[in-house]
Amino acid sequence: EDKVVQSPLSLVVHEGDTVTLNCSYEVTNFRSLLWYKQEKKAPTFLFMLTSSGIEKKSGRLSSILDKKELFSILNITATQTGDSAIYLCAVGGGVGGGSNYKLTFGKGTLLTVNP
Amino acid sequence: KAGVTQTPRYLIKTRGQQVTLSCSPISGHRSVSWYQQTPGQGLQFLFEYFSETQRNKGNFPGRFSGRQFSNSRSEMNVSTLELGDSALYLCASSRQVSTDTQYFGPGTRLTVL
Repeated sequence: EDKVVQSPLSLVVHEGDTVTLNCSYEVTNFRSLLWYKQEKKAPTFLFMLTSSGIEKKSGRLSSILDKKELFSILNITATQTGDSAIYLCAVGGGVGGGSNYKLTFGKGTLLTVNP
Repeated sequence: KAGVTQTPRYLIKTRGQQVTLSCSPISGHRSVSWYQQTPGQGLQFLFEYFSETQRNKGNFPGRFSGRQFSNSRSEMNVSTLELGDSALYLCASSRQVSTDTQYFGPGTRLTVL
Protein backbone atom coordinates (compact mmCIF):
# COMPACT_ATOMS: atom_id res chain seq x y z
CA GLU A 1 0.00 0.00 0.00
CA ASP A 2 1.25 3.47 -0.89
CA LYS A 3 2.34 5.52 2.11
CA VAL A 4 3.33 9.14 2.73
CA VAL A 5 4.60 10.16 6.18
CA GLN A 6 5.11 13.76 7.24
CA SER A 7 7.01 15.00 10.24
CA PRO A 8 6.69 16.68 12.57
CA LEU A 9 2.92 16.52 12.93
CA SER A 10 2.92 19.97 14.47
CA LEU A 11 5.41 22.74 15.04
CA VAL A 12 5.28 26.05 16.91
CA VAL A 13 7.87 28.72 16.09
CA HIS A 14 8.39 32.46 16.45
CA GLU A 15 8.33 34.94 13.61
CA GLY A 16 11.69 35.06 11.89
CA ASP A 17 12.59 31.45 12.58
CA THR A 18 13.47 29.01 9.81
CA VAL A 19 11.57 25.72 9.66
CA THR A 20 12.08 22.45 7.81
CA LEU A 21 9.18 20.12 7.14
CA ASN A 22 9.79 16.51 6.16
CA CYS A 23 7.99 14.10 3.87
CA SER A 24 8.99 10.48 3.25
CA TYR A 25 7.16 8.12 0.94
CA GLU A 26 6.73 4.60 -0.36
CA VAL A 27 4.72 4.80 -3.56
CA THR A 28 4.53 2.41 -6.49
CA ASN A 29 5.65 3.91 -9.79
CA PHE A 30 6.53 7.29 -8.32
CA ARG A 31 5.93 10.14 -10.72
CA SER A 32 6.01 13.35 -8.68
CA LEU A 33 5.84 14.87 -5.22
CA LEU A 34 3.70 17.90 -4.49
CA TRP A 35 3.48 20.33 -1.59
CA TYR A 36 0.28 22.16 -0.69
CA LYS A 37 -0.55 24.79 1.94
CA GLN A 38 -3.94 24.56 3.62
CA GLU A 39 -5.38 27.30 5.75
CA LYS A 40 -9.06 27.31 6.66
CA LYS A 41 -9.98 26.62 3.07
CA ALA A 42 -8.83 24.75 -0.01
CA PRO A 43 -5.27 23.45 -0.19
CA THR A 44 -3.25 25.73 -2.43
CA PHE A 45 -0.51 24.37 -4.65
CA LEU A 46 3.08 25.26 -3.73
CA PHE A 47 5.53 23.02 -5.60
CA MET A 48 5.76 19.96 -7.77
CA LEU A 49 9.02 18.01 -7.75
CA THR A 50 9.94 15.27 -10.15
CA SER A 51 13.74 15.25 -10.29
CA SER A 52 16.20 14.58 -7.50
CA GLY A 53 18.45 17.33 -6.28
CA ILE A 54 16.78 20.23 -8.06
CA GLU A 55 15.57 22.86 -5.63
CA LYS A 56 12.34 24.65 -6.33
CA LYS A 57 12.04 28.13 -4.81
CA SER A 58 9.27 30.63 -4.37
CA GLY A 59 10.12 33.59 -2.21
CA ARG A 60 10.90 32.34 1.29
CA LEU A 61 9.79 28.80 0.50
CA SER A 62 11.95 26.15 -1.10
CA SER A 63 11.75 22.42 -1.55
CA ILE A 64 13.98 19.62 -2.71
CA LEU A 65 13.47 15.94 -3.53
CA ASP A 66 15.73 12.94 -2.93
CA LYS A 67 14.43 10.06 -5.02
CA LYS A 68 17.12 7.68 -3.82
CA GLU A 69 16.23 8.12 -0.15
CA LEU A 70 12.54 8.67 -0.91
CA PHE A 71 11.98 11.96 0.87
CA SER A 72 11.48 15.65 0.39
CA ILE A 73 11.86 18.70 2.59
CA LEU A 74 10.06 22.01 2.56
CA ASN A 75 11.98 24.96 4.00
CA ILE A 76 10.46 28.24 5.08
CA THR A 77 12.87 31.01 6.04
CA ALA A 78 12.08 34.17 8.01
CA THR A 79 8.66 32.79 8.96
CA GLN A 80 5.68 35.13 9.29
CA THR A 81 2.36 34.68 11.08
CA GLY A 82 0.74 34.29 7.66
CA ASP A 83 2.71 31.10 7.17
CA SER A 84 0.61 29.44 9.86
CA ALA A 85 -1.20 26.60 8.11
CA ILE A 86 -1.21 22.87 7.51
CA TYR A 87 1.40 21.85 4.96
CA LEU A 88 0.46 18.79 2.97
CA CYS A 89 2.77 16.53 1.03
CA ALA A 90 1.29 14.39 -1.76
CA VAL A 91 2.94 11.81 -3.96
CA GLY A 92 1.68 10.84 -7.39
CA GLY A 93 2.02 7.25 -8.55
CA GLY A 94 0.17 3.97 -8.81
CA VAL A 95 0.36 0.37 -9.95
CA GLY A 96 0.58 0.24 -13.70
CA GLY A 97 0.57 4.00 -14.07
CA GLY A 98 -2.02 5.50 -16.41
CA SER A 99 -5.52 5.13 -15.08
CA ASN A 100 -4.27 3.74 -11.79
CA TYR A 101 -2.39 6.92 -11.04
CA LYS A 102 -3.49 8.81 -7.94
CA LEU A 103 -2.23 11.25 -5.34
CA THR A 104 -1.52 9.86 -1.89
CA PHE A 105 -1.42 12.52 0.82
CA GLY A 106 0.41 12.64 4.12
CA LYS A 107 -1.48 13.76 7.21
CA GLY A 108 0.16 17.14 7.12
CA THR A 109 2.28 19.28 9.39
CA LEU A 110 0.48 21.96 11.37
CA LEU A 111 2.74 24.99 11.52
CA THR A 112 1.96 27.78 13.98
CA VAL A 113 4.02 30.96 13.77
CA ASN A 114 3.69 33.20 16.82
CA PRO A 115 4.45 36.93 16.69
CA LYS B 1 -10.12 32.59 -14.26
CA ALA B 2 -12.58 31.24 -11.71
CA GLY B 3 -11.34 28.53 -9.41
CA VAL B 4 -12.92 25.25 -8.46
CA THR B 5 -16.32 25.74 -6.87
CA GLN B 6 -18.16 23.37 -4.58
CA THR B 7 -21.72 23.44 -3.33
CA PRO B 8 -23.05 23.41 -0.76
CA ARG B 9 -20.30 24.64 1.56
CA TYR B 10 -21.91 23.20 4.68
CA LEU B 11 -24.36 20.39 5.18
CA ILE B 12 -25.93 18.72 8.20
CA LYS B 13 -27.59 15.34 7.77
CA THR B 14 -28.74 12.50 10.01
CA ARG B 15 -27.68 8.89 9.93
CA GLY B 16 -29.29 6.86 7.16
CA GLN B 17 -29.90 9.81 4.88
CA GLN B 18 -28.14 10.35 1.61
CA VAL B 19 -26.33 13.41 0.32
CA THR B 20 -25.19 14.79 -3.04
CA LEU B 21 -22.27 17.20 -3.34
CA SER B 22 -21.42 19.19 -6.44
CA CYS B 23 -18.12 20.34 -7.93
CA SER B 24 -17.46 22.63 -10.90
CA PRO B 25 -13.87 22.47 -12.17
CA ILE B 26 -11.73 25.28 -13.48
CA SER B 27 -12.72 26.15 -17.03
CA GLY B 28 -10.85 23.90 -19.45
CA HIS B 29 -10.08 21.27 -16.82
CA ARG B 30 -11.56 17.91 -17.68
CA SER B 31 -10.54 15.79 -14.71
CA VAL B 32 -12.20 15.95 -11.30
CA SER B 33 -10.94 14.07 -8.25
CA TRP B 34 -12.72 13.76 -4.91
CA TYR B 35 -11.12 13.47 -1.48
CA GLN B 36 -12.33 13.00 2.07
CA GLN B 37 -10.43 14.88 4.77
CA THR B 38 -10.75 13.99 8.47
CA PRO B 39 -8.50 14.90 11.41
CA GLY B 40 -7.57 11.27 12.00
CA GLN B 41 -7.00 10.04 8.46
CA GLY B 42 -5.98 13.18 6.63
CA LEU B 43 -6.80 13.53 2.94
CA GLN B 44 -7.94 10.28 1.36
CA PHE B 45 -8.60 9.74 -2.33
CA LEU B 46 -12.16 8.75 -3.23
CA PHE B 47 -12.26 8.68 -7.04
CA GLU B 48 -11.36 10.50 -10.22
CA TYR B 49 -13.55 11.25 -13.22
CA PHE B 50 -12.54 12.18 -16.72
CA SER B 51 -14.75 12.38 -19.81
CA GLU B 52 -17.73 11.23 -17.77
CA THR B 53 -15.94 8.00 -16.80
CA GLN B 54 -14.55 6.95 -13.45
CA ARG B 55 -10.84 6.42 -14.05
CA ASN B 56 -9.63 5.47 -10.60
CA LYS B 57 -11.11 4.64 -7.22
CA GLY B 58 -9.83 4.69 -3.67
CA ASN B 59 -10.61 2.28 -0.83
CA PHE B 60 -14.09 3.43 0.11
CA PRO B 61 -17.30 1.41 0.36
CA GLY B 62 -19.86 1.36 -2.42
CA ARG B 63 -22.01 3.86 -0.51
CA PHE B 64 -19.71 6.47 -2.04
CA SER B 65 -20.36 7.06 -5.70
CA GLY B 66 -20.00 9.81 -8.23
CA ARG B 67 -20.55 10.89 -11.77
CA GLN B 68 -19.36 13.48 -14.23
CA PHE B 69 -21.38 15.41 -16.76
CA SER B 70 -20.47 16.43 -20.28
CA ASN B 71 -19.50 19.92 -19.07
CA SER B 72 -17.00 18.29 -16.66
CA ARG B 73 -19.03 19.19 -13.57
CA SER B 74 -19.08 16.34 -11.10
CA GLU B 75 -21.31 15.15 -8.32
CA MET B 76 -20.54 12.86 -5.43
CA ASN B 77 -23.22 10.88 -3.62
CA VAL B 78 -23.06 9.20 -0.25
CA SER B 79 -25.95 6.91 0.66
CA THR B 80 -26.97 5.55 4.06
CA LEU B 81 -24.88 8.10 5.92
CA GLU B 82 -22.90 7.02 8.98
CA LEU B 83 -21.48 9.18 11.78
CA GLY B 84 -18.00 8.45 10.47
CA ASP B 85 -18.82 10.10 7.16
CA SER B 86 -18.58 13.50 8.86
CA ALA B 87 -15.68 15.16 7.09
CA LEU B 88 -14.55 17.86 4.72
CA TYR B 89 -15.09 16.69 1.15
CA LEU B 90 -12.73 18.30 -1.31
CA CYS B 91 -12.74 18.14 -5.04
CA ALA B 92 -9.80 19.01 -7.23
CA SER B 93 -9.56 19.61 -10.94
CA SER B 94 -6.74 19.17 -13.42
CA ARG B 95 -6.40 19.56 -17.15
CA GLN B 96 -6.12 15.90 -18.01
CA VAL B 97 -6.70 12.60 -16.28
CA SER B 98 -4.11 11.67 -13.70
CA THR B 99 -2.27 14.96 -14.10
CA ASP B 100 -0.04 15.81 -11.21
CA THR B 101 -1.04 19.37 -10.44
CA GLN B 102 -4.52 19.43 -9.03
CA TYR B 103 -6.31 22.57 -7.92
CA PHE B 104 -8.67 22.27 -5.00
CA GLY B 105 -12.08 23.74 -4.28
CA PRO B 106 -13.05 25.14 -0.86
CA GLY B 107 -14.72 21.90 0.18
CA THR B 108 -18.08 20.86 1.58
CA ARG B 109 -18.19 20.37 5.33
CA LEU B 110 -20.57 17.46 6.00
CA THR B 111 -21.77 16.78 9.52
CA VAL B 112 -23.73 13.60 10.19
CA LEU B 113 -25.75 13.57 13.42
